[in-house]
Amino acid sequence: GAVVSQHPSWVICKSGTSVKIECRSLDFQATTMFWYRQFPKQSLMLMATSNEGSKATYEQGVEKDKFLINHASLTLSTLTVTSAHPEDSSFYICSAERGGTTETQYFGPGTRLLVL
Amino acid sequence: DAKTTQPTSMDCAEGRAANLPCNHSTISGNEYVYWYRQIHSQGPQYIIHGLKNNETNEMASLIITEDRKSSTLILPHATLRDTAVYYCIVRVVLGYQLTFGKGTKLSVIP
Repeated sequence: GAVVSQHPSWVICKSGTSVKIECRSLDFQATTMFWYRQFPKQSLMLMATSNEGSKATYEQGVEKDKFLINHASLTLSTLTVTSAHPEDSSFYICSAERGGTTETQYFGPGTRLLVL
Repeated sequence: DAKTTQPTSMDCAEGRAANLPCNHSTISGNEYVYWYRQIHSQGPQYIIHGLKNNETNEMASLIITEDRKSSTLILPHATLRDTAVYYCIVRVVLGYQLTFGKGTKLSVIP
């Protein structure tokens, strides 16, 4: 149990285009999903917290108009990188929190984005 | 959330136990200790978590000192597939954010 998937696993796009990344919890319902970003040889950095049916909460320094997050259901959250630029190239990872007394987060396999 | 301190890197011989330490001297009474690992180019994998009692599952054991200021993750029989960066994280049980530090890079050597 507790499987989180992401699609696509990798994407290459031209500068100025938009890219959508999907995150799904396959065998549990997740009221909260998270989006992280990881640059080479660095640790994961939280970008935003997403609750089903409400607006995402973004971390300081993350542009909400550039990184659009939609948490449409208890099993699906999407991250859209709008007007992508080369500096947005990174490894994007989502996680989903399964409720309960200790609320363990489970992570997706990640999406590698390369903007040319 | 409390800050954690881990060694930058460790080596372990294949088949031997890997003991990964973590200091969290400022941990609060309502903060759990979580361990995750990240194998190269993959998302983090949940390993184990605990509050104050020692915990064991199919992957590892977690030993938390009585004063809760430090803990040790034990992989009983390390294999080459256990080579990864291991993150020790403390988090308020009803909070949401996981704050990742630099972790410990564990290399399992044949």
